[in-house]
Amino acid sequence: GDSVTQMEGPVTLSEEAFLTINCTYTATGYPSLFWYVQYPGEGLQLLLKATKADDKGSNKGFEATYRKETTSFHLEKGSVQVSDSAVYFCALSDREGTGFQKLVFGTGTRLLVSP
Amino acid sequence: EAGVAQSPRYKIIEKRQSVAFWCNPISGHATLYWYQQILGQGPKLLIQFQNNGVVDDSQLPKDRFSAERLKGVDSTLKIQPAKLEDSAVYLCASSPLGSNYGYTFGSGTRLTVV
Repeated sequence: GDSVTQMEGPVTLSEEAFLTINCTYTATGYPSLFWYVQYPGEGLQLLLKATKADDKGSNKGFEATYRKETTSFHLEKGSVQVSDSAVYFCALSDREGTGFQKLVFGTGTRLLVSP
Repeated sequence: EAGVAQSPRYKIIEKRQSVAFWCNPISGHATLYWYQQILGQGPKLLIQFQNNGVVDDSQLPKDRFSAERLKGVDSTLKIQPAKLEDSAVYLCASSPLGSNYGYTFGSGTRLTVV
């Protein structure tokens, strides 16, 4: 079945450092890809998305490019801030099985940014 | 627009007791999802509704979990009887019909079974 694999955390960075969180996926179909963010005590928020190969999703300085050849969707940010500290989830949406879209999540990567 | 509303926010129960969670999706969203998020793991889909019909409940432990979505709007998820391993955050999400652009999640209900 469909699955998403993320790098294990926590990822600990100093403010203004460069961030990469790796994400790879396995899917039988042609999925859409997402990054969600979960701040402490809050629900999941959509950070960015990409729906086809070579699409680049971007939001709030974060970027990720849909790489079909490597089945990857790595999250990057050039300069992180303390406020970016959160758990980041990579996810895919596919019609596997029922024919209806459903989200499959990775295990999440905790990012800790220190001043 | 109003977001996805969930209640209660927190619940502590003893094992073998029953518990119910409520979700009110975004108005007009035909698809509603319940996810279980165990600490340190990603959310796992329990059940998916399209209007008031179930389209995927393959991961729902049907011997103890049940869910309904009356009139295609609000939904209730019930656990009876609860086990220690049911301790988790239960997330409700909704999306427009046929949407492939991600869902809107509620803040979740944190369940602790002692």
